[in-house]
Amino acid sequence: AIRMTQSPTSLSASVGDRVTITCRASQGIRKDLVWLQQKPGKAPKVLISDGSALKSGVPPRFRGSWTATYFTLTITSLQPEDAATYFCLQEYNYPRVFGPGTRVEIK
Amino acid sequence: QVRVVQSGTEVKRPGSSVKISCKVSGDSFNKYGIDWVRQAPGQGLEWMGGIVPFSPSGTFGHRFQARLTLTADPSTGTAYMELGGLTAEDTATYFCTYLSQWGPGTLVTVSS
Repeated sequence: AIRMTQSPTSLSASVGDRVTITCRASQGIRKDLVWLQQKPGKAPKVLISDGSALKSGVPPRFRGSWTATYFTLTITSLQPEDAATYFCLQEYNYPRVFGPGTRVEIK
Repeated sequence: QVRVVQSGTEVKRPGSSVKISCKVSGDSFNKYGIDWVRQAPGQGLEWMGGIVPFSPSGTFGHRFQARLTLTADPSTGTAYMELGGLTAEDTATYFCTYLSQWGPGTLVTVSS
């Protein structure tokens, strides 16, 4: 199975900061990666699919990009409502695999 | 607008089975697969398996292959996940997902 590593495990940043989260796949997965946001007690919400395609209704401050097997989620200007845990998910093949998650806190 | 609704909280004894339903509305249920994901308390997301409604079999995560059954009823737009041989380690919230829409989750508690 493909392995997904994610970094950092957690971060704390101020409102307005630029935040970057990275996922690395153990092998090539084309662009078949999804970014999800999960707030405490809630179901995950898909922010970005196909590596960089913003889902409808998601603020444009969320951006996805990739190079080879490295995928990046950038929040260009962190907002208080962005406090959450972020997961990546490879949809290239089965079994699907999630990254371990990155917890984002607001200072 | 796709909407996903799941059945309610379950409390089960060790060794028993749990069956959770996932009803999809707002889209033709037949086109795409439904995935099942679980999340133990305070932990990350774990993919369990997936099914395409008119496909005779699903695809399963290795950890669940022996005790997971996935079915779907296209006539009602409902998918089902049945997990057998429950232990305390199966205590988790179980989610179904369809076309990037996630259900609200079903909490399953396994306790004697």
